Amino acid sequence: EAQVTQNPRYLITVTGKKLTVTCSQNMNHEYMSWYRQDPGLGLRQIYYSMNVEVTDKGDVPEGYKVSRKEKRNFPLILESPSPNQTSLYFCASSLEAGTSYNEQFFGPGTRLTVL
Amino acid sequence: QKEVEQDPGPLSVPEGAIVSLNCTYSNSAFQYFMWYRQYSRKGPELLMYTYSSGNKEDGRFTAQVDKSSKYISLFIRDSQPSDSATYLCAIGGAGKSTFGDGTTLTVKP
Repeated sequence: EAQVTQNPRYLITVTGKKLTVTCSQNMNHEYMSWYRQDPGLGLRQIYYSMNVEVTDKGDVPEGYKVSRKEKRNFPLILESPSPNQTSLYFCASSLEAGTSYNEQFFGPGTRLTVL
Repeated sequence: QKEVEQDPGPLSVPEGAIVSLNCTYSNSAFQYFMWYRQYSRKGPELLMYTYSSGNKEDGRFTAQVDKSSKYISLFIRDSQPSDSATYLCAIGGAGKSTFGDGTTLTVKP
């Protein structure tokens, strides 16, 4: 089944404890992206990757890191999480992100709480 | 000012009603205009997208874009209880996507 998977789905952690949220897609998509969703602020793009080893900042990259060493994986790293990073996180992928639009497929979401 | 402003809702309509969902945007550099539907506790899923001004129809759904006034709309005809969800407008291009805050729609049987 074609899908985007995220792990973990739920995570409660404490301030400053490094964590990684994994994202994997099995559709051979070139483009991957991370978003966070907050009430009243909507869905905001954190980082995106046009291809392996190519990443770029979205609208809210502060406090996050990403890497794209393989086509299928795009982990989101929080080196020192803070309570304002408590949010619902979505990973998405699409065939490509060039001059023509390609549908983004979203993962199921990861609900992160930082105490 | 946000790049995409979406009518906040929530909206509650009876089954069979025509629903109009609306957004305005400020950055004319973006090329694509999308509508996503998000059910509770799920990730967004693409409903429709378009590149140009005008209407695009898909079954009961019509997406409308007016680039001159930077206005995008989604119309749902003969709304069904299964249409109850949050609808997100989005604009995008060159890898970046900017979403509206979403409008929650409830269609009552």
